Amino acid sequence: EVQLVQSGTEVKKPGESLKISCKGSGYSFTNYWIGWVRQMPGKGLEWMGIIYPGDSDTRYSPSFKGQVTISADKSISTAYLQWSSLKASDTAMYYCATLRTYYGGCDYWGQGTLVTVSS
Amino acid sequence: EIVLTQSPGTLSLSPGERATLSCRASQSVSSSYLAWYQQKPGQAPRLLIYGASSRATGIPDRFSGSGSETDFTLTISRLEPEDFAVYYCQQYGSSPRTFGQGTRLEIK
Repeated sequence: EVQLVQSGTEVKKPGESLKISCKGSGYSFTNYWIGWVRQMPGKGLEWMGIIYPGDSDTRYSPSFKGQVTISADKSISTAYLQWSSLKASDTAMYYCATLRTYYGGCDYWGQGTLVTVSS
Repeated sequence: EIVLTQSPGTLSLSPGERATLSCRASQSVSSSYLAWYQQKPGQAPRLLIYGASSRATGIPDRFSGSGSETDFTLTISRLEPEDFAVYYCQQYGSSPRTFGQGTRLEIK
């Protein structure tokens, strides 16, 4: 059974750094893409970017390029989303999801990680 | 960037009725690379349809997708109580991938 398990809720202050994780199991981690999606409180879904853990090929949505870093450690089947300096506007739920092919829908989703940034 | 506009914003229907949700793209979606997702409160989205008309694994056949180029439709033939949720379309044929703003399907 394909599963993505994300790290837990985070409460941070503006300017702090953060790295959240998404651990895959039940499939070949290096053969599926992983995407990240933001959902701000009460709002819709926003595509952030995608990574292929097999070779770390990473593509960012222009809205998020330079704002976050997507990475993966295939030795532990885990993808990451990180910020170097959080802002209050980063407060949101963040989801990871698998894609069996680059040109495919997001088949399986993590449970989400809630990030709250407040002074 | 392809902008997806979903309509209506909110759809009020009763169980047993037919639901028709629209997703219009600002430019042609390459190879009908269009997906539909369902999201219930407090849950992650779930893939319903990919490639504009292919049902994802485990999705009941009351859900169907159609359309091409700039106009796409998700149809739920007979609404079940568990179908009341928010629905999003997404295009993944052009970079960046984009989502529509969502249609809320509520019980009348």
